Amino acid sequence: QSALTQPASVSGSPGQSITISCSGTPSDVGGYNLVSWYQQHPGKAPKLIIYEVTKRPSGISNRFSGSKSGNTASLTISGLQAEDEADYYCWSYGGSNSVEVFGGGTRLTVL
Amino acid sequence: QVQLLQSGAEVKKPGSSVKVSCKPSGGTITGYTISWVRQAPGQGLEWVGRIIPVLGITHSAPRFQGRVTVSADKSTNTAYMELYSLRSEDTAVYFCAGDAGSGSYDYWGQGTLVTVSS
Repeated sequence: QSALTQPASVSGSPGQSITISCSGTPSDVGGYNLVSWYQQHPGKAPKLIIYEVTKRPSGISNRFSGSKSGNTASLTISGLQAEDEADYYCWSYGGSNSVEVFGGGTRLTVL
Repeated sequence: QVQLLQSGAEVKKPGSSVKVSCKPSGGTITGYTISWVRQAPGQGLEWVGRIIPVLGITHSAPRFQGRVTVSADKSTNTAYMELYSLRSEDTAVYFCAGDAGSGSYDYWGQGTLVTVSS
């Protein structure tokens, strides 16, 4: 199971919106609505921000939203804030052999 | 707020094995699916394996099959990951992550640094 494909880095200015893509295959992203997104600040454990493609856990800002089209999922962060600067990882259930797979991660820089 | 509490850092020799533990601060281990995820220095997250303690069902990533055992002990309310035949490339922070039914990992341990060095 290969890692899902994410851009290595994205950047935006405070107040702007950015979108991070996560490309997979019909065997993972495209085959299940089990895509999650995690935010990780340096030296910290990952934090769940989106699950089941579009759902936000309690306490997560509505500035974070998720979507999926075909084999590609996306995370959009609107109204960028300095505290959003972090690494972001997508995750998908892989189905065959019940594996799970992460994306390679995207470093978000808030300019 | 439930926390997953992991065992402390380990330093191991190449060829040896390491066993990392993960215990929820609240509730029982059978209330979670527990996955193990590792992160090498400066690298991304990598899924290692998973256990559903209430059923005793385990799965692991193909690249770790035969070299990892994920388990859970209901009597001590603890999940474990044991990795064998360690090599320097296994140096990483190992996280346990808990799914309480959402199909995603709501709860994470603090991470355990495993260093493999001769």
